[in-house]
Amino acid sequence: QSALTQPASVSGSPGQSITISCTGTSGDVGDYNYVSWYQHHPDKAPTLVIYDVTKRPSGVSDRFSGSKSGNTASLTISGLQAEDESDYFCCSYAGGTSHWVFGGGTRVTVL
Amino acid sequence: QVQLVQSGAEVKKPGASVKVSCKTSGYAFKTFGINWVRQAPGQGLEWMGWISGYDGSAKYAQNLQGRVTLTTDTSTTTAYLELRSLRSDDTAVYYCARIYSGSYSYYQYYMDVWGKGTTVTVSS
Repeated sequence: QSALTQPASVSGSPGQSITISCTGTSGDVGDYNYVSWYQHHPDKAPTLVIYDVTKRPSGVSDRFSGSKSGNTASLTISGLQAEDESDYFCCSYAGGTSHWVFGGGTRVTVL
Repeated sequence: QVQLVQSGAEVKKPGASVKVSCKTSGYAFKTFGINWVRQAPGQGLEWMGWISGYDGSAKYAQNLQGRVTLTTDTSTTTAYLELRSLRSDDTAVYYCARIYSGSYSYYQYYMDVWGKGTTVTVSS
């Protein structure tokens, strides 16, 4: 069982928007603005799409956006495209002895 | 470009040790640390530990203390993960990931480049 809770799957049609939630606790997501999101195609290296809750690395499409409310962070993909079909996982800094906690991952399917 | 290239798959017997390498290139090794993360089949990711590229200081996940050792070789800009007394539940894909950090501290709180992962299978 993962420390952060994500839905197992989310789907949407091309052009639609989808949102993936990532629920933690007051000791991780709720306490720190250090939530990051990664796209992970099987057998490839994960790639960073959002960091520090809302920031987008250079080169990442502006269709990806992040937000946070309380203990839940969210990743929104707008204008869904076939190339967005992948696994996505969240990560939060948790301080103390835990350091880093992760979500179980969400499979995004483009219908 | 920045790359983290991990060593190949390993099959080990219970009780044995495994050493996974993460060869880095394309950046100043000493200005970043390396996080090690693993994912067991059907499970989420689990943080194992971090090592500084600056001075080799390391932090470990509590549940792995005593079984895991992280090291670096600055001459080859390579990071290593050694896991001992392997059990079947250590079967997982092991990832290294770069994080901007110094000695004993992170400067940024995200992992911006990852390796492709190394599959370690523990089976009798």
